[in-house]
Amino acid sequence: AQSVAQPEDQVNVAEGNPLTVKCTYSVSGNPYLFWYVQYPNRGLQFLLKYITGDNLVKGSYGFEAEFNKSQTSFHLKKPSALVSDSALYFCAVRDRNNKLIFGAGTRLAVHP
Amino acid sequence: GAGVSQSPRYKVAKRGQDVALRCDPISGHVSLFWYQQALGQGPEFLTYFQNEAQLDKSGLPSDRFFAERPEGSVSTLKIQRTQQEDSAVYLCASSSSPVAFFGQGTRLTVV
Repeated sequence: AQSVAQPEDQVNVAEGNPLTVKCTYSVSGNPYLFWYVQYPNRGLQFLLKYITGDNLVKGSYGFEAEFNKSQTSFHLKKPSALVSDSALYFCAVRDRNNKLIFGAGTRLAVHP
Repeated sequence: GAGVSQSPRYKVAKRGQDVALRCDPISGHVSLFWYQQALGQGPEFLTYFQNEAQLDKSGLPSDRFFAERPEGSVSTLKIQRTQQEDSAVYLCASSSSPVAFFGQGTRLTVV
């Protein structure tokens, strides 16, 4: 069965510091991987995706993610965090039936 | 607007009442999905349409849940005889590519 794990419920980082939000996946075949962000009382906003090609994927708002096949990971990163990046982040994998399977989410708190 | 639109944004229902949640997808998007998001959790898949065909309804939690998309555009998720455990945010998404775009959701509270 396909699944996504986000091992951290919350990540705290100081503004200006680099941030990493972790994600590992389990899927048969080649994975389609996604990161979404959710602000309070809002829907999910697409950040970036990995389908094929370069392992380092760049997305919206300065975020990037690194696909690592051997470690089955797709960690979200940003070189310099902003207070406005504070939100709930979801990693997801698309299964062969076209639906997204989400992790439980990681709350990112960026402190001034 | 250009995005996925859901209505109502908030719905309070008395236990046992029927509710209908509406989703207007992005124009031209063939695929439409419904997800349920409980408080503090990730979205859980409910059902999937390709045009008007419901290809997967494996995530619907009970036969009280019913979804339709009769003309391949607007979709309605109906919940009959609502229960307290149905309280959640219901998210709709549409896509024509690998990326799914989500609406703001309908927050359903059953009292």
